[in-house]
Amino acid sequence: DIQMTQSPSSLSASVGDRVTITCQASQDIKTSLSWYQQKPGKAPQLLIYDDSHLNTGAPSRFSGSGSGTDFTFTITTLQPEDIGTYFCQQYDDLPFAFGPGTWVDIK
Amino acid sequence: QVQLVESGGGVVRPGGSLRLSCAVSGFTFTSHSMTWVRQAPGKGLEWVAVISYNGGFTYVADSVRGRFIISRDNSNNTLFLQMNNLRSEDAAIYYCARGRTTTNFSPPDFWGQGTLVTVSS
Repeated sequence: DIQMTQSPSSLSASVGDRVTITCQASQDIKTSLSWYQQKPGKAPQLLIYDDSHLNTGAPSRFSGSGSGTDFTFTITTLQPEDIGTYFCQQYDDLPFAFGPGTWVDIK
Repeated sequence: QVQLVESGGGVVRPGGSLRLSCAVSGFTFTSHSMTWVRQAPGKGLEWVAVISYNGGFTYVADSVRGRFIISRDNSNNTLFLQMNNLRSEDAAIYYCARGRTTTNFSPPDFWGQGTLVTVSS
């Protein structure tokens, strides 16, 4: 099974900062990677699919890049409403797997 | 608009069974694979199962294989998760989610609000 890791596990940044989260797969998943945002008490929302494609309705300050085993998620200008947990997920091979999540907070 | 509404959660004793349902609307159900994902209190997301657009292919996680069955009723736009022989570690919020495309290998793009399953004696 493919294992996913994420770093950092949490971060605190100021409004307007650039925020970067990394995700690593235990084997090559090509570009079959998505990113989700989950706000407290809510269901996850898809932000990025196929490594770098912005989902309909997701703000353009969110972006993704990478391929193979190493991926990066970026918030170019952190906003107060971006508080939450961010998860990566691979869907290259079953069973699909999520990363452990990164909690993003505002300083 | 796209809506997914889960039901069927509740309190069950270890070894018991529950059947979760997910009623969908606002899109063509038969054009999408469907997925169940769970989240234990205060924990991360755990992928549970996927079913193809026509129900012809299913796959469940190792942690629930032999106990959970995913199915769908395309006539009634409903997804199911039959959960048998429940264990304490199955306690979680269970989300149903729509696959972004028809293929099984696509990420969920719309999620329900979840239904809570508690396993306790």
